[in-house]
Amino acid sequence: GDSVIQMQGQVTLSENDFLFINCTYSTTGYPTLFWYVQYSGEGPQLLLQVTTANNKGSSRGFEATYDKGTTSFHLQKTSVQEIDSAVYYCAMREPNSGTYQRFGTGTKLQVVP
Amino acid sequence: NAGVIQTPRHKVTGKGQEATLWCEPISGHSAVFWYRQTIVQGLEFLTYFRNQAPIDDSGMPKERFSAQMPNQSHSTLKIQSTQPQDSAVYLCASSLGHWGGSETLYFGSGTRLTVL
Repeated sequence: GDSVIQMQGQVTLSENDFLFINCTYSTTGYPTLFWYVQYSGEGPQLLLQVTTANNKGSSRGFEATYDKGTTSFHLQKTSVQEIDSAVYYCAMREPNSGTYQRFGTGTKLQVVP
Repeated sequence: NAGVIQTPRHKVTGKGQEATLWCEPISGHSAVFWYRQTIVQGLEFLTYFRNQAPIDDSGMPKERFSAQMPNQSHSTLKIQSTQPQDSAVYLCASSLGHWGGSETLYFGSGTRLTVL
């Protein structure tokens, strides 16, 4: 069935480290893919979105490439800062008939100074 | 723009009691979504309204859960006979409603429900 998989439950980095958060998806066809970020005490907010396969989305220094070959949408950032500490959710909207966004289980990023 | 407003922020109920959660979407948004958030499951879709009409409730538990949208300015999620496993953060989101699930979702801060 359709699914969004985030294997990393928690990631701890030091400031200026490279960030890589894994996300893979399973569905038929080419979904729309999203990354949301949730700061403590708030609801998730959109970080970036990519509709077209093989395109790259970027925002606030974060990047994710829609790789239809590996059905992945990994999130990357070259140099993380303490303010990036949050929970990151990968999500997809299934093609054709999808009425809602299906979310992964989230990856909690903690950046230590 | 105040964003999506959810009330109450926290609700504590005893097992078997009823809980009603409220959501006010962003003015002008015609789509409203409800999600349940837990550490284990992440965000789980519950139900979706567009122009106040229920469109997809495939994520709603068939027993005890119900949702309504009586007017364009608010939606409610009601849980009857609450159980400890219902403890979670319930998130409401709205979107413009033009492109269904492909649009940016704007989430409220959620209602944390604790069932004792």
